[in-house]
Amino acid sequence: DVKVTQSSRYLVKRTGEKVFLECVQDMDHENMFWYRQDPGLGLRLIYFSYDVKMKEKGDIPEGYSVSREKKERFSLILESASTNQTSMYLCASSPNPTSGGNTGELFFGEGSRLTVL
Amino acid sequence: LAKTTQPISMDSYEGQEVNITCSHNNIATNDYITWYQQFPSQGPRFIIQGYKTKVTNEVASLFIPADRKSSTLSLPRVSLSDTAVYYCLVARRQAGTALIFGKGTTLSVSS
Repeated sequence: DVKVTQSSRYLVKRTGEKVFLECVQDMDHENMFWYRQDPGLGLRLIYFSYDVKMKEKGDIPEGYSVSREKKERFSLILESASTNQTSMYLCASSPNPTSGGNTGELFFGEGSRLTVL
Repeated sequence: LAKTTQPISMDSYEGQEVNITCSHNNIATNDYITWYQQFPSQGPRFIIQGYKTKVTNEVASLFIPADRKSSTLSLPRVSLSDTAVYYCLVARRQAGTALIFGKGTTLSVSS
């Protein structure tokens, strides 16, 4: 089974702190994604990466950055956390079509619930 | 990227068939349609994917008309455990595709 592991299920941080959310997948997938989920707003894409050291902005990249130094790991960084970044953060991975995977078939982690005070 | 529109919520009773429709008027030729299910405090999980006509698996069926501007997820004989949020996603079949979700449909199944 594909496993996507997010480093922390629950975090509490203070305004202005730097926050790292780590995500690791074990299926050699090319693509990795970070979403945030808020009540009534569904899943919103923050950033994604289709290769090592590559990154693309999603719908709501402001206030976030990402790092993909290794294929299996995709980190989401909040340089200076703010209260409006309190949310559930979900990481996902998916294979590329050329390697036999299904386009749009995402495998999600359990999520990281971040509270910024 | 194709924008998707779904009903915000639906109610059903155990044993009924539930059909959730997703509208995607600007779907492109090489876009596929994928549906996900999400339970509280969990990440979404893949249910079914299709390109045209009908696809069926052990969980659901997916109906896509010829113009592909909409799709319908059909859940046969739902149970209480099917209470969840269902998302429709339209994705381009190429590497480096941004996978954008809509707001999803909250299905509530009652006894």
